[in-house]
Amino acid sequence: DAGITQSPRHKVTETGTPVTLRCHQTENHRYMYWYRQDPGHGLRLIHYSYGVKDTDKGEVSDGYSVSRSKTEDFLLTLESATSSQTSVYFCAAQGLDGYTFGSGTRLTVV
Amino acid sequence: KQEVTQIPAALSVPEGENLVLNCSFTDSAIYNLQWFRQDPGKGLTSLLLIQSSQREQTSGRLNASLDKSSGRSTLYIAASQPGDSATYLCAVIGTAGNKLTFGGGTRVLVKP
Repeated sequence: DAGITQSPRHKVTETGTPVTLRCHQTENHRYMYWYRQDPGHGLRLIHYSYGVKDTDKGEVSDGYSVSRSKTEDFLLTLESATSSQTSVYFCAAQGLDGYTFGSGTRLTVV
Repeated sequence: KQEVTQIPAALSVPEGENLVLNCSFTDSAIYNLQWFRQDPGKGLTSLLLIQSSQREQTSGRLNASLDKSSGRSTLYIAASQPGDSATYLCAVIGTAGNKLTFGGGTRVLVKP
């Protein structure tokens, strides 16, 4: 399994501020993903990466950007946080044994 | 577009009873299917991965079957325990890409 570490675990931020969430993996997996989980909507893909500097949009990418400068790190940035981005954010990596998820970041935008 | 459905949304059983959780998907062209468990406020824990060429996969008290032609997978949990209480999610990966599509989950409560 890819060891997935997300930071921070919890964050409260104000509307309009930029926020960056970090995901770190230890297994050198090529594919990494950011999902958000909301009641009534389940897990939805925000962005994903298929290699260093190679990223693409998911189904709910508006208002988010990502960067991957190293294989092990995948960053999610909320350019100007809004209340609708209050959610739990999960990072995942894909390996031979399927997907492994991090413990999540609970983000509250006030 | 792939759609994944899990019915029922919630399930309550007495301890010791076998659990049967259903997952259906609309596009049979899948690469594999994965079952996860999620405890409240926690992340997703992988339970079983079934490759498209497989019909079933087993781990301990868990058994998952896959019928691609009918677009269905079933997760069986034998002799349920209160510790099995959680939300169970199935997710499929289509052959066109590497992205997971999730079902809405089944919330399970096992009563002592």
